[in-house]
Amino acid sequence: QVTLRESGPALVGPTQTLTLTCTFSGFSLTTSGLCVSWVRQPPGKALEWLALIDWDDDKYYSTSLKTRLTISKDTSKNQVVLTMTNMDPVDTATYYCARLTVPTNAFDIWGQGTMVTVSP
Amino acid sequence: DIQMTQSPSTLSASVGDRVIITCRASQSISRWLAWYQQKPGKAPKLLIYKTSTLQSGVPSRFSGSGSGTEFTLTISSLQPDDFATYCCQHYGSFSPVTFGQGTKLEIK
Repeated sequence: QVTLRESGPALVGPTQTLTLTCTFSGFSLTTSGLCVSWVRQPPGKALEWLALIDWDDDKYYSTSLKTRLTISKDTSKNQVVLTMTNMDPVDTATYYCARLTVPTNAFDIWGQGTMVTVSP
Repeated sequence: DIQMTQSPSTLSASVGDRVIITCRASQSISRWLAWYQQKPGKAPKLLIYKTSTLQSGVPSRFSGSGSGTEFTLTISSLQPDDFATYCCQHYGSFSPVTFGQGTKLEIK
């Protein structure tokens, strides 16, 4: 059974750095064609893609946020970590990690999401 | 970046209705288009990938079609469990992941 679970702080202050961890099971991120991505959703708004890392350790970032994002993986721990610098109240959202498979190019399994609030 | 535009933003319908949701890409994306269903407080659920391939376990009343820049999600006969928000998504070899803004399907 494939599962993903997000973890991280529920509250961060403005200008701080957010670190989120996605811990997954049921697959290996060394398997060709598998990727893990981060997606966020502000309250009442649309999904916004943030970053993706693939089995070959290639990394891709949202054009609008790439200067603030870093994605990495630890295959021995089955974890993917996202850091986002210089947090702002507009970054308040539910943050999801999800698995993307190639060649479907779709997110077939999602974590339950973690709500992050940016406030003093 | 490729932009995905959905219409309508909100759709009111009744149980048993046939509904169509459209997703338009700002440039050709071949058939690299997926559809998701999302309910309040829950993560999105993959319904369809590569325009028309139904994800395992998804009821056959859901179908997808299109190519290039215009795509549709059709629900042939709405069931009570189908009232939710639907979202399209693209990911291609030379473009980052993009989502549509979502279509909220409400009970009339």
